[in-house]
Amino acid sequence: GESVGLHLPTLSVQEGDNSIINCAYSNSASDYFIWYKQESGKGPQFIIDIRSNMDKRQGQRVTVLLNKTVKHLSLQIAATQPGDSAVYFCAEGDNQGGKLIFGQGTELSVKP
Amino acid sequence: NAGVTQTPKFQVLKTGQSMTLQCAQDMNHEYMSWYRQDPGMGLRLIHYSVGAGITDQGEVPNGYNVSRSTTEDFPLRLLSAAPSQTSVYFCASSRRSGGSGNTIYFGEGSWLTVV
Repeated sequence: GESVGLHLPTLSVQEGDNSIINCAYSNSASDYFIWYKQESGKGPQFIIDIRSNMDKRQGQRVTVLLNKTVKHLSLQIAATQPGDSAVYFCAEGDNQGGKLIFGQGTELSVKP
Repeated sequence: NAGVTQTPKFQVLKTGQSMTLQCAQDMNHEYMSWYRQDPGMGLRLIHYSVGAGITDQGEVPNGYNVSRSTTEDFPLRLLSAAPSQTSVYFCASSRRSGGSGNTIYFGEGSWLTVV
């Protein structure tokens, strides 16, 4: 079936550096893509999303890039902080019912 | 503003027992859903609802029932608990069906262990 997966299960960065978390997806019919942050013992927290007709979208300290040619999604976090340490999930959805397909997740660890 | 509220937070069941996980949202959202998350995995959709009286199956519906009698509540019932249902369960809601900019809000999760 269709799936969304991540290239790297763990990522360790130095505080202040930029982080890049990658995601591959297989359903070319997905309408939008979302990045979630999940801290230990908590539910996923929305970070940013991007529609399938866009290539780039920026938020506060975060940028999402979408490359539909190679079905690749990335999340860039600028000036990574200790509070950014968490598991990050990419997910894909459609416009029919808000159903999401999640990837496996990448654990981001920020070293002070 | 409570958002999405799930109860209980933790539950231990014996194999064969039944129980209901409660989910309520106070944002007047039409769309609600249940996901399960197994260790080291992403979330998988169990059941979802696009409005009161309407429910449908997700990716892993077997062993679970749902109903949506009101806009606010979307309970998840385990009919006969099995160890394979040991997982963390998340309820989610959103303002409308799908699309960018339609933030899906998640509850804090319900940790279920079946022994």
